Amino acid sequence: DAKTTQPTSMDCAEGRAANLPCNHSTISGNEYVYWYRQIHSQGPQYIIHGLKNNETNEMASLIITEDRKSSTLILPHATLRDTAVYYCIVRVAPFYNQGGKLIFGQGTELSVKP
Amino acid sequence: EAQVTQNPRYLITVTGKKLTVTCSQNMNHEYMSWYRQDPGLGLRQIYYSMNVEVTDKGDVPEGYKVSRKEKRNFPLILESPSPNQTSLYFCASSLRLAGVNEQFFGPGTRLTVL
Repeated sequence: DAKTTQPTSMDCAEGRAANLPCNHSTISGNEYVYWYRQIHSQGPQYIIHGLKNNETNEMASLIITEDRKSSTLILPHATLRDTAVYYCIVRVAPFYNQGGKLIFGQGTELSVKP
Repeated sequence: EAQVTQNPRYLITVTGKKLTVTCSQNMNHEYMSWYRQDPGLGLRQIYYSMNVEVTDKGDVPEGYKVSRKEKRNFPLILESPSPNQTSLYFCASSLRLAGVNEQFFGPGTRLTVL
């Protein structure tokens, strides 16, 4: 799986959009970009995933650059409950050769402040 | 409500005393997995199961056993716990191994082995 690079930490004001970048310059054509988050010591929570098109769901939007070497997760109106560690994961599907495991890097610690 | 449950949520035990951490999902998922999370090491996969009676080792299986006799349950067994198994444990499930299915995580079990 391609390596990802994320900022260690970010702050965001409550009610504003939180834009979390992820660099995955070695991504290959069959690798998807996933985002998960983990609120302090809780189980990780799936947010969104994409291959090359931008994606949106009820939680967030995922913007993937045309060359697919980077992406941005956007939380449109961050709340205090969005304070968490956000993980960008790049992996190929299907998962037969890797036991389906998700490889969580260090992630970005997002602090949403009042 | 679709969910992954784990029991117990917290456990303090002593070296050598066999224990079982239960994991159950109500989503009819084929794939289930166990991770442990340690500071500085991220989440590491212990065992996974692609379906009933099909299990395989992850990255850190030593000292653990699993079974998958029913689709909904995937217990983690520590036959003779040791202090280096003190960790935060997460069970996860997804519809199946193939494809880009999101993984759902349980709330975690914090285990301390004295």
